[in-house]
Amino acid sequence: AQKITQTQPGMFVQEKEAVTLDCTYDTSDPSYGLFWYKQPSSGEMIFLIYQGSYDQQNATEGRYSLNFQKARKSANLVISASQLGDSAMYFCAMREVNYGGATNKLIFGTGTLLAVQP
Amino acid sequence: DTGVSQDPRHKITKRGQNVTFRCDPISEHNRLYWYRQTLGQGPEFLTYFQNEAQLEKSRLLSDRFSAERPKGSFSTLEIQRTEQGDSAMYLCASSPRGGGGGTDTQYFGPGTRLTVL
Repeated sequence: AQKITQTQPGMFVQEKEAVTLDCTYDTSDPSYGLFWYKQPSSGEMIFLIYQGSYDQQNATEGRYSLNFQKARKSANLVISASQLGDSAMYFCAMREVNYGGATNKLIFGTGTLLAVQP
Repeated sequence: DTGVSQDPRHKITKRGQNVTFRCDPISEHNRLYWYRQTLGQGPEFLTYFQNEAQLEKSRLLSDRFSAERPKGSFSTLEIQRTEQGDSAMYLCASSPRGGGGGTDTQYFGPGTRLTVL
């Protein structure tokens, strides 16, 4: 069964510093997608970045980059130059591929709570 | 605002009552998903629609739960005879027609927080 593991329940980072949030995944499918979402205290899930299993380069979106190490089955999120507004829960998710008809449902980890300190 | 919207944002109900939530997806998206998120956990998949067809339901979706998307636009999620264990955040997401890669990104609404007393 496909699984996402986030081993850091909480992280602190100083404003303007970089931080890495860990994510490992387990799947036997050769084709999959990995996502990171941010969930502020207000509750909405905000899409940050996507990495496809066949993508040759690590994904980047502004201050967000994904350190994709396929052999290690890890997809860590790197946030550069942290800002106070980055304080939130961060979820790693994997898109399941159903060869009978892809449903694209997401499987989420348990999240990492990031606190940015001034 | 062209994002996913959900109504109501909060719902408090007594055990045994029925509740219904509504989700309006992004207009050009034909795929719609419902997830449930309990405290301290990531969202868990409940069900999925492609246009008006409900193509998959999780085992989490007991017979007290029903979801519809009658015209392939908005969707409703109804919970009958609510139980305290139904207290959770119910999230709706939509994505465009499948094309692989990042085009299948799911965009979430703000959620409906249900509290069953």
